[in-house]
Amino acid sequence: DTAVSQTPKYLVTQMGNDKSIKCEQNLGHDTMYWYKQDSKKFLKIMFSYNNKELIINETVPNRFSPKSPDKAHLNLHINSLELGDSAVYFCASSPVALGAGANVLTFGAGSRLTVL
Amino acid sequence: GQSLEQPSEVTAVEGAIVQINCTYQTSGFYGLSWYQQHDGGAPTFLSYNALDGLEETGRFSSFLSRSDSYGYLLLQELQMKDSASYFCAVFTNAGKSTFGDGTTLTVKP
Repeated sequence: DTAVSQTPKYLVTQMGNDKSIKCEQNLGHDTMYWYKQDSKKFLKIMFSYNNKELIINETVPNRFSPKSPDKAHLNLHINSLELGDSAVYFCASSPVALGAGANVLTFGAGSRLTVL
Repeated sequence: GQSLEQPSEVTAVEGAIVQINCTYQTSGFYGLSWYQQHDGGAPTFLSYNALDGLEETGRFSSFLSRSDSYGYLLLQELQMKDSASYFCAVFTNAGKSTFGDGTTLTVKP
């Protein structure tokens, strides 16, 4: 069983479109994250949710809207896609948000988004 | 904010030992983690230091000096499969892991 699973694995779309990426974890973790990795492999945190509550929101354009229907799921919706949004988006989870274990992130396989 | 520095590339031969350094500047420092990422794959957790000293996990060890804001990952008995990118990440008391830009390790026969 995959611990953190993301769908779709690949997304190719035109500028201006809207797309969503879904993430689910079966580890029983409380905290989930979205990270963006660009073509230079820089890995940047975007959002973090703890038990469905947003706790970290980096300076991300408001075209990006995360949603966590329950603590096992964290989705990412992107409106009006731009060329610069092309990247690999990784979902991750950790047992807790703070304290021991919070630093150990389990990543999904990534969703490669290409905007044409 | 946070900033981390690590070398962009390191090359070594099979069987050798390599050390990847990481210096950081951050507020609310809680600990330093290391992740490995193979091409096309996901980052995977390797090691973590919250206190000064050396943590050993098989062929991999990680070191932290909080007073120097410095840590390193030591890989021993290098194997071809160790060719990957290695990221240090500071974990803060705000619950955020901020990653360095990564070090590409190439292991040659």
